[in-house]
Amino acid sequence: AQKVTQAQTEISVVEKEDVTLDCVYETRDTTYYLFWYKQPPSGELVFLIRRNSFDEQNEISGRYSWNFQKSTSSFNFTITASQVVDSAVYFCALSSYKLSFGAGTTVTVRA
Amino acid sequence: DAMVIQNPRYQVTQFGKPVTLSCSQTLNHNVMYWYQQKSSQAPKLLFHYYDKDFNNEADTPDNFQSRRPNTSFCFLDIRSPGLGDAAMYLCATSRRTSGGAGTDTQYFGPGTRLTVL
Repeated sequence: AQKVTQAQTEISVVEKEDVTLDCVYETRDTTYYLFWYKQPPSGELVFLIRRNSFDEQNEISGRYSWNFQKSTSSFNFTITASQVVDSAVYFCALSSYKLSFGAGTTVTVRA
Repeated sequence: DAMVIQNPRYQVTQFGKPVTLSCSQTLNHNVMYWYQQKSSQAPKLLFHYYDKDFNNEADTPDNFQSRRPNTSFCFLDIRSPGLGDAAMYLCATSRRTSGGAGTDTQYFGPGTRLTVL
């Protein structure tokens, strides 16, 4: 069985603040993949990143960064200098045989 | 640009009246998925096609059916929509490699929001 927990239901910040989204996962598999998706109000799920279980390198893409720590089964996501356009629901997901989503974190960035 | 397209974006149907949602893709991916997403919830996988092979999730109601006439198109048929079927329906695609299902990166369409009156 696999499970993804996003403990934060909602986060509200003021523009230019940093925001970190927590993701903790459970799986018995040794090979698996972790994902983050963004869902803006329009509804489309936008793929952000995929990380495999053997690659613990952190990654930075513009204002986005991801911290994968296998020892704590966490794959956290940070948005630096947030902007209003970052307002969305963010889903963390785990895949070893099929994709399992966390419950999502709603991020609201206020101008 | 290669993409996943869903039509219509908004669909209104009456209780018990069959409805079909459409998905097409220009990514040439061999796997197509249908998800149901209710308000403030995560997407829930209904079924997927790996090439022509249909894979149904154990808890998907019989009321939901799917067809994939060719690589590019996939349809979701709801035979007798109930009020509880009102939701966003998301289509996704992926390219399955030798690494297996777990390696797939799924790319989603914009969704069809279904209203049942």
